[in-house]
Amino acid sequence: AQKITQTQPGMFVQEKEAVTLDCTYDTSDPSYGLFWYKQPSSGEMIFLIYQGSYDQQNATEGRYSLNFQKARKSANLVISASQLGDSAMYFCAMRAQGGSEKLVFGKGTKLTVNP
Amino acid sequence: DTEVTQTPKHLVMGMTNKKSLKCEQHMGHRAMYWYKQKAKKPPELMFVYSYEKLSINESVPSRFSPECPNSSLLNLHLHALQPEDSALYLCASSQGAQDPYYEQYFGPGTRLTVT
Repeated sequence: AQKITQTQPGMFVQEKEAVTLDCTYDTSDPSYGLFWYKQPSSGEMIFLIYQGSYDQQNATEGRYSLNFQKARKSANLVISASQLGDSAMYFCAMRAQGGSEKLVFGKGTKLTVNP
Repeated sequence: DTEVTQTPKHLVMGMTNKKSLKCEQHMGHRAMYWYKQKAKKPPELMFVYSYEKLSINESVPSRFSPECPNSSLLNLHLHALQPEDSALYLCASSQGAQDPYYEQYFGPGTRLTVT
């Protein structure tokens, strides 16, 4: 079975600063994908970034980067130069080869960016 | 274009009503999903369609009936719902259902209120 743990229910950051959102995962499957989604108060789940279990380099997408530490089973999201529009709920999620079609979500972290 | 559309955005229905939620994608994705999300919780998987066939039903009550008329469309038919069914209903699609490396793209959701 796969499991995602997000231990920070809420995080605060000042505008223009960087912030790290934590995510640890558990699976015995060697093939898996890790995903981060952003959900503003409007409700839409926005795909941010993806990391494959066999990827050698950390994924980056604009201001988002994924700090992938495979031995520690962690996949932390780093947001650089925070903007007010980054205030939202952030979900870490995982799909494993042996997990069929299911995307397993963590409980989420609510990020608030202060001006 | 990574757009998934959902209609309606908001729906209020009585417990004896019959209504349908609609979802559409034009990305050529072969897998489509329905999720239910309660406030401050992660999405919960309801159904998965792979190549227009139902591949996963997460023990969803029969008052929810999914339908996949073609590879671009996904419907969720609602009948005799309960107040506890009030939630945000999210549709998603991905290139393939079996491969763990494909991200899922979500629609904006339908906020359902059952009175």
